[in-house]
Amino acid sequence: AQKITQTQPGMFVQEKEAVTLDCTYDTSDQSYGLFWYKQPSSGEMIFLIYQGSYDEQNATEGRYSLNFQKARKSANLVISASQLGDSAMYFCAMREKNTGNQFYFGTGTSLTVIP
Amino acid sequence: NAGVTQTPKFRILKIGQSMTLQCAQDMNHNYMYWYRQDPGMGLKLIYYSVGAGITDKGEVPNGYNVSRSTTEDFPLRLELAAPSQTSVYFCASRQALNSNQPQHFGDGTRLSIL
Repeated sequence: AQKITQTQPGMFVQEKEAVTLDCTYDTSDQSYGLFWYKQPSSGEMIFLIYQGSYDEQNATEGRYSLNFQKARKSANLVISASQLGDSAMYFCAMREKNTGNQFYFGTGTSLTVIP
Repeated sequence: NAGVTQTPKFRILKIGQSMTLQCAQDMNHNYMYWYRQDPGMGLKLIYYSVGAGITDKGEVPNGYNVSRSTTEDFPLRLELAAPSQTSVYFCASRQALNSNQPQHFGDGTRLSIL
């Protein structure tokens, strides 16, 4: 079974609108962390936001927030007020304590911001 | 402030050749990782290391070898290059003290096997 599932291969959003990128995860571990990374066309991986399994509040970092629903095992990324520079691939990743702190990545979502 | 440095950035190999992808970090991170990213796909873990002298296999280790003789360096070795190893390779490091620490990535090495 896939550890991380991102079901949206491609998404489009109008500039200045909000967009939600979906991520579901599969783990039996009680201690884990969820990360979102952005990969622009230039190829580098940029860390955006983190959510711990024991965190009670949803994580926020500027225009990025994480909609964490533990019972549903989902950790969706919300980008508010989209900008043209947000056009990129977005990857959800999970770190499990029980598997030696390995990271598992989803297949990514390509976001295109339309002017 | 170099972070994670990967060399080379690009390389073309012939089938059967060998090479070493270099990775160095200057952040004194304990954990280091090697991933490959095939076109349109996410990252798959090849090998990782939790400290000098300790390495372990990830999801796709076949055809690769690693060593970790120092905290800073984590080279990835391809012994007999095959077309299936054409990919973009990313090295990453992470400080293990806090669970919320993300991985810091290098800029990647684009490798083509012809």
